[in-house]
Amino acid sequence: GESVGLHLPTLSVQEGDNSIINCAYSNSASDYFIWYKQESGKGPQFIIDIRSNMDKRQGQRVTVLLNKTVKHLSLQIAATQPGDSAVYFCAENSNNAGNMLTFGGGTRLMVKP
Amino acid sequence: EPEVTQTPSHQVTQMGQEVILRCVPISNHLYFYWYRQILGQKVEFLVSFYNNEISEKSEIFDDQFSVERPDGSNFTLKIRSTKLEDSAMYFCASSDLYGGRGDTQYFGPGTRLTVL
Repeated sequence: GESVGLHLPTLSVQEGDNSIINCAYSNSASDYFIWYKQESGKGPQFIIDIRSNMDKRQGQRVTVLLNKTVKHLSLQIAATQPGDSAVYFCAENSNNAGNMLTFGGGTRLMVKP
Repeated sequence: EPEVTQTPSHQVTQMGQEVILRCVPISNHLYFYWYRQILGQKVEFLVSFYNNEISEKSEIFDDQFSVERPDGSNFTLKIRSTKLEDSAMYFCASSDLYGGRGDTQYFGPGTRLTVL
């Protein structure tokens, strides 16, 4: 049978509004962070990354902010579109030999037209 | 744009049977990974592979699991004797090198493994 899954926090926004998705990471030794988007039935899709020597990085319609003091990461999506609806995961690389990524629990973004 | 591919998209097997999941990483990448995601849960790391050997593995990756790069393009995950709890989506990923370490990991579409 199906296992009981995590209860995903959900962010519901109106099309055209800005979205902010937050993530708390666990390992102060982590030096590389990535945001992934996962649509139903698909693999994680790379959105944007940031290394620990930066506190902000911008892409097309997306911005990632890193606050190492409080171990917090955020993803801002400008002018959110229906196609942005998905589950968003942050992942951290704790500078280990095998480049293991540790994923957060995910946030479901729902965009209302 | 180059991408990671995986086959099959869905594999159904009986408990105790062996399965092999196949991946073709992005062609110039040097690091290869397997992750799994049980339905509705987080993506979990299984193993990373570089220079024809395992770099790191998680506690999930026990003696029932093995990986292989049988040729210059494929990367496989074998589960020797499947258990019900192995049912999950299995994702392959690959990355290039950056500063002597693996860089951004790009994921394939996954193989859904169902163990009956």
